[in-house]
Amino acid sequence: RKEVEQDPGPFNVPEGATVAFNCTYSNSASQSFFWYRQDCRKEPKLLMSVYSSGNEDGRFTAQLNRASQYISLLIRDSKLSDSATYLCVVTGSSNTGKLIFGQGTTLQVKP
Amino acid sequence: DTAVSQTPKYLVTQMGNDKSIKCEQNLGHDTMYWYKQDSKKFLKIMFSYNNKELIINETVPNRFSPKSPDKAHLNLHINSLELGDSAVYFCASSQDPGLNTEAFFGQGTRLTVV
Repeated sequence: RKEVEQDPGPFNVPEGATVAFNCTYSNSASQSFFWYRQDCRKEPKLLMSVYSSGNEDGRFTAQLNRASQYISLLIRDSKLSDSATYLCVVTGSSNTGKLIFGQGTTLQVKP
Repeated sequence: DTAVSQTPKYLVTQMGNDKSIKCEQNLGHDTMYWYKQDSKKFLKIMFSYNNKELIINETVPNRFSPKSPDKAHLNLHINSLELGDSAVYFCASSQDPGLNTEAFFGQGTRLTVV
């Protein structure tokens, strides 16, 4: 079983749509959670951290369910510029900074 | 004014050769990493250094040897390159290896072994 699992997609949505991505992780001792964004042939960049209480950054909302080991990302009012691969990321149980990446979910927003 | 820079950006080489990838960060971070992204797009950690000390060494063939001359630099040397080494290699850095610390990535080195 992969440590972090995501549906690779692709998700093809029209501009203005709301889209949700989900992710599950296997290590219940994981302590920190993130969504990174990776554009085609570019490096990953942090989109947002994910907190237990849920958090929002503009059109983006992230949720964490520790009991189910489940993380989600909701994007409202999709823009063409949101087209990218969204990587679900968790840290290991030890304090080493190791990031464990999911395969990524590809989003294509169409006009 | 690049934060994490790695060179070269592209590297095409023959099997059996030895090559190096260099990485530098100007963020004043204490921790640096090497990640590998394979053809299926999975990013996996290879090595991590904190203040020039190796703290993570995943199951990586010993043909791969990282070197950190100072905390702003982490180079990756690969001996006897194999076809399966073809991938994108990303260097990254973070302030410390603690929790919730953002990692900043270099632009990647696309290695093709022929």
